[in-house]
Amino acid sequence: AQSVTQPDIHITVSEGASLELRCNYSYGATPYLFWYVQSPGQGLQLLLKYFSGDTLVQGIKGFEAEFKRSQSSFNLRKPSVHWSDAAEYFCAVAERGGGNKLTFGTGTQLKVEL
Amino acid sequence: GAVVSQHPSRVICKSGTSVKIECRSLDFQATTMFWYRQFPKQSLMLMATSNEGSKATYEQGVEKDKFLINHASLTLSTLTVTSAHPEDSSFYICSAIPGGAFYNEQFFGPGTRLTVL
Repeated sequence: AQSVTQPDIHITVSEGASLELRCNYSYGATPYLFWYVQSPGQGLQLLLKYFSGDTLVQGIKGFEAEFKRSQSSFNLRKPSVHWSDAAEYFCAVAERGGGNKLTFGTGTQLKVEL
Repeated sequence: GAVVSQHPSRVICKSGTSVKIECRSLDFQATTMFWYRQFPKQSLMLMATSNEGSKATYEQGVEKDKFLINHASLTLSTLTVTSAHPEDSSFYICSAIPGGAFYNEQFFGPGTRLTVL
């Protein structure tokens, strides 16, 4: 069955430290890949997306993600976390030719310690 | 950027009543809107796909008679939870896609918290 897995439910990092959030997918073919951030009272915001081409994708707010086909992974990274990055992060996939329907991972709650 | 609003942001109702939630694309026309449901500390689950002028397509396991979706215009989709019960309490989120390209980014509303007493 098609699925998206985010193994880490909670992650706590110190401000200024680096961050990596993991995402693995199980699909027959490489889907479109996304990372969203959800903050209280705000809609989900797209951080970055991968459709094809360069496997290292740059996004907003200093985030980047690397697509690794061999590992079916699309991990999100940030070299230096800011306190304002504390939020819920969702990895999502859309099947190519699947009508834009997104399947979300279970999310990772990021806490930033000052 | 593209803005999607939802109204109300929070609603409390009695069991057995119906509740309507509106989703509006404020600065673009949305040929397609999606409705999601999010349980506490859990992921978003797609409920249905709403296309302007046609019937919504529901995901497996979603009761179409319980969750009525109407996409009457290119900027408005509504979700009506009929005869609501406590188990319908949840966070409902809509998203909208502008018309056009071969794959479009979904823009999400801020969500509606429904509590059924």
